[in-house]
Amino acid sequence: QVQLVQSGAEVKKPGASVKVSCKASGYTFTSYDINWVRQATGQGLEWMGWMNPNSGNTGYAQKFQGRVTITRNTSISTAYMELSSLRSEDTAVYYCARRGLLTGDLDYWGQGTLVTVSS
Amino acid sequence: QAGLTQPPSVSKGLRQTATLTCTGNSNIVGNQGAAWLQQHQGHPPKLLSYRNNNRPSGISERFSASRSGNTASLTITGLQPEDEADYYCSAWDSSLSAWVFGGGTKLTVL
Repeated sequence: QVQLVQSGAEVKKPGASVKVSCKASGYTFTSYDINWVRQATGQGLEWMGWMNPNSGNTGYAQKFQGRVTITRNTSISTAYMELSSLRSEDTAVYYCARRGLLTGDLDYWGQGTLVTVSS
Repeated sequence: QAGLTQPPSVSKGLRQTATLTCTGNSNIVGNQGAAWLQQHQGHPPKLLSYRNNNRPSGISERFSASRSGNTASLTITGLQPEDEADYYCSAWDSSLSAWVFGGGTKLTVL
């Protein structure tokens, strides 16, 4: 079965960077785009960017341009999202989500990773 | 940062029918429809309906999606306590090259 398993919670200081991983299993990793979405406590979903694991091509939301980098390691079927210059407003749960081939919708989601930014 | 508009809350009684709405512009909802996600407190979102209104495997027939013009709807029949959750609509905005989400609707089952 399709699974996306993310790395554990992180606590970071303002100005630092965080790198969250998303390990895929149950399907061919390189055949499906991976997206990253975040959710602040009590708030809605906010899309951050996508990556094609086959080509490495990426696209980022304008809000995060210059601060977010999505990469992958195909040998271990893992995608990464790195967010730099962290501020308190970046405290949120970060999700990876697979984009389905047929419909193009975000069909499977990771369990989420809580990133807390605090001095 | 909601690109799509959803009512913040809907309350319905047990075994009743709830209809949740999602409104966007013609380039988004009007063109491709909207997918629907269900999120229980403390859990990741779960896809309930594709943008083409079909359900993924394993999703109950009590959930059905439709679209009329620039408004997408999710109808939930025979409401159960476990249907109490937040519901989000989502679509791809080609003008932004970005996924956009509604602000979410909190469904309360009375």
